[in-house]
Amino acid sequence: EAQVTQNPRYLITVTGKKLTVTCSQNMNHEYMSWYRQDPGLGLRQIYYSMNVEVTDKGDVPEGYKVSRKEKRNFPLILESPSPNQTSLYFCASSFMGEQYFGPGTRLTVT
Amino acid sequence: AQKVTQAQTEISVVEKEDVTLDCVYETRDTTYYLFWYKQPPSGELVFLIRRNSFDEQNEISGRYSWNFQKSTSSFNFTITASQVVDSAVYFCAAIGGSNYKLTFGKGTLLTVNP
Repeated sequence: EAQVTQNPRYLITVTGKKLTVTCSQNMNHEYMSWYRQDPGLGLRQIYYSMNVEVTDKGDVPEGYKVSRKEKRNFPLILESPSPNQTSLYFCASSFMGEQYFGPGTRLTVT
Repeated sequence: AQKVTQAQTEISVVEKEDVTLDCVYETRDTTYYLFWYKQPPSGELVFLIRRNSFDEQNEISGRYSWNFQKSTSSFNFTITASQVVDSAVYFCAAIGGSNYKLTFGKGTLLTVNP
């Protein structure tokens, strides 16, 4: 079954404590991306990756890092989380216009 | 770059009413895709439809129908005989050309009251 998985699904953390949200897809897609969703703003792209070792900034990259060492994995790293990064995060995997989203990660930074 | 506008922030209807969610897009690409997603209270994004720019045929799937009109850059979504389970946030989105980035509208919160 085609799938994008994210972990954790829910996370409450404190300001400044580094965290990583993992994302994995089983469809061998080259393109993966991260979005954040905030009330009244819809979903906005944070970072994307066209292939292994190829990543680039989306619309709201500040405060985030990503890596793409393997095709299937695309972790999102918050080196020093702040309360304004409290949001719902989605990982996506894409091919030829087909978009597959993970289940989302609800992050709260206090 | 694409721009997607969902002018309706919130809509409230009574069960069995028909409701139309509006979506207007802007793009300079000749080839693009348009999408609708449903986000129920549980939070996941549920894919509803994808339409490419060369296919202007309207589509019907059960109680759902989509009206794609390039002349007005609109891709509206109608739910016929709405049900309480249709209550969700609905997002319209677009991809242009060879870019895989989805540009989302801000979403419309639909509440269907019994």
